[in-house]
Amino acid sequence: AQSVTQLGSHVSVSEGALVLLRCNYSSSVPPYLFWYVQYPNQGLQLLLKYTTGATLVKGINGFEAEFKKSETSFHLTKPSAHMSDAAEYFCAVTQPGSNYKLTFGKGTLLTVNP
Amino acid sequence: KAGVTQTPRYLIKTRGQQVTLSCSPISGHRSVSWYQQTPGQGLQFLFEYFSETQRNKGNFPGRFSGRQFSNSRSEMNVSTLELGDSALYLCASSEGAPNYGYTFGSGTRLTVV
Repeated sequence: AQSVTQLGSHVSVSEGALVLLRCNYSSSVPPYLFWYVQYPNQGLQLLLKYTTGATLVKGINGFEAEFKKSETSFHLTKPSAHMSDAAEYFCAVTQPGSNYKLTFGKGTLLTVNP
Repeated sequence: KAGVTQTPRYLIKTRGQQVTLSCSPISGHRSVSWYQQTPGQGLQFLFEYFSETQRNKGNFPGRFSGRQFSNSRSEMNVSTLELGDSALYLCASSEGAPNYGYTFGSGTRLTVV
């Protein structure tokens, strides 16, 4: 079984401030982890993913995430928020092998204040 | 490379009707997955197809069905529509193995009245 918990349904930051969006997962086997972003009335865009190898993963738009197995976490960060980062962010998990489905967290709405 | 194309973008149907949504994956991708997104339940997995075979199915009633054609295009069908079926339906395309990731379309917004 697999599940994802995103702490904080709404995060508000000032432009230029650090962005930290939290994601904890549960998986019976070593997981593959993803962060997606969704802008209003659009689909999901992949920001970054962790499958194997380096635990610090860099993605698009200056975002990065670190896979911490001991903490079962995959938090998303960006050093300096931009107004264009305002969107909803989803963390997702899947299992290698025969699962073939993504399990998503409930999402975190990021607001960036000028 | 063209992205994932979902048609139509918007749809309004009446309770009791049926509806068919279409998804064309990225060229060369053989896996297509479908997800339902609602404010209350979030993103929920419906089913996944690979080379015309359903490999996994979510916990939805039998009114929800899908299929995949030999060119990898996929359709999902919802029969006997209920108000609660109003949602954004998202299609995701993949090369087939989960480590490749999934590319999503813009979705079809279904409203049941």
